[in-house]
Amino acid sequence: DADVTQTPRNRITKTGKRIMLECSQTKGHDRMYWYRQDPGLGLRLIYYSFDVKDINKGEISDGYSVSRQAQAKFSLSLESAIPNQTALYFCATRSSGGTGELFFGEGSRLTVL
Amino acid sequence: GESVGLHLPTLSVQEGDNSIINCAYSNSASDYFIWYKQESGKGPQFIIDIRSNMDKRQGQRVTVLLNKTVKHLSLQIAATQPGDSAVYFCAEDSGGSNYKLTFGKGTLLTVNP
Repeated sequence: DADVTQTPRNRITKTGKRIMLECSQTKGHDRMYWYRQDPGLGLRLIYYSFDVKDINKGEISDGYSVSRQAQAKFSLSLESAIPNQTALYFCATRSSGGTGELFFGEGSRLTVL
Repeated sequence: GESVGLHLPTLSVQEGDNSIINCAYSNSASDYFIWYKQESGKGPQFIIDIRSNMDKRQGQRVTVLLNKTVKHLSLQIAATQPGDSAVYFCAEDSGGSNYKLTFGKGTLLTVNP
């Protein structure tokens, strides 16, 4: 089983719909991140969390919200999806006591029509 | 080579040749750098990292070189294999313990048999 699991892996939705992407990890890491990947733009940070009570905005947080339900779970929500939120979304984790290495999930491909 | 802000560059090499992927980073305060490999349909995977107090670090078939004077990072892959075909990202951390990595846009490496 994957250490960082994202669901759903693929989702097609319509403009205005609410969407939630979920992430769970079995690595025991306290830090979790949501990134967005667009062709030619690399990975951009949406939100990050250092523990259950610590949520921080990244560089492109507008239009997104997150919830850290437990140390192992970090969900990303699009309250009212729009077409330019069509992208590949990655959850990542990192241990505060380790190196700077981020461990990524397999990604969630979201298409907003 | 690669730089944060440019279109995805490509590199095509013959199997068995050495590959060099370049990255120009933007923040002179960055003190930690990572190279990631992303295969099609998968999340990024850690390859090798280097701290700013070093200028070279070697792993298995890979070497990372850091030139802080010109803010340049490179990844060298020895005896490139078809399985090395992927998009390679460099990432920089601007310091502190937050580890909010900033990613470059990636370089597509294609290995021809």
